[in-house]
Amino acid sequence: EAQVTQNPRYLITVTGKKLTVTCSQNMNHEYMSWYRQDPGLGLRQIYYSMNVEVTDKGDVPEGYKVSRKEKRNFPLILESPSPNQTSLYFCASSAQGWGGYNQPQHFGDGTRLSIL
Amino acid sequence: AQTVTQSQPEMSVQEAETVTLSCTYDTSENNYYLFWYKQPPSRQMILVIRQEAYKQQNATENRFSVNFQKAAKSFSLKISDSQLGDTAMYFCGLGRNNAGNMLTFGGGTRLMVKP
Repeated sequence: EAQVTQNPRYLITVTGKKLTVTCSQNMNHEYMSWYRQDPGLGLRQIYYSMNVEVTDKGDVPEGYKVSRKEKRNFPLILESPSPNQTSLYFCASSAQGWGGYNQPQHFGDGTRLSIL
Repeated sequence: AQTVTQSQPEMSVQEAETVTLSCTYDTSENNYYLFWYKQPPSRQMILVIRQEAYKQQNATENRFSVNFQKAAKSFSLKISDSQLGDTAMYFCGLGRNNAGNMLTFGGGTRLMVKP
């Protein structure tokens, strides 16, 4: 089954304790990205990656890191989490678009992070 | 910069009725597409419909259709014969078709379908 898998689905932690949210896709997609969802703001892109070892900032990258060492994995790292990073996080992937037509993004089921 | 605005935070509709969700956007891109995602209480993100900006014909997917007004930068979603399973948060958004599939979302409209 084609899917994007995020772990954990829920996490409560404390300020300053480093954490990693994993994301893995089994569709051989080139493009992966991370979003955070906050009430009234919709989803905002944190980072994206167009392929292995190629990453770039989205709209709200402060306080986050990512890496893309393998095509299937795109972990999101919070080195020193703070309460304002409490949010619902989504990972997404899509195939590389050709001819100016990007493929739809497939989303994971989300990770609810609470930073106390 | 791209912006997407959904002016209706919440809406409700009676089962079997028709409802229209509004969305306006702004972009300087020439090659872009618009979409609506549905997020039910399970919080999955489900693509409802997509419209390429270069296409004049409005996209339809079964009971879902859009009214795309490019000059007005408007992209509304019409749901016909509403069903209880349509109860969800709906996000309008804009995607770039060039390198980097960056999506910009609106703030969402919470739709409640009443029996």
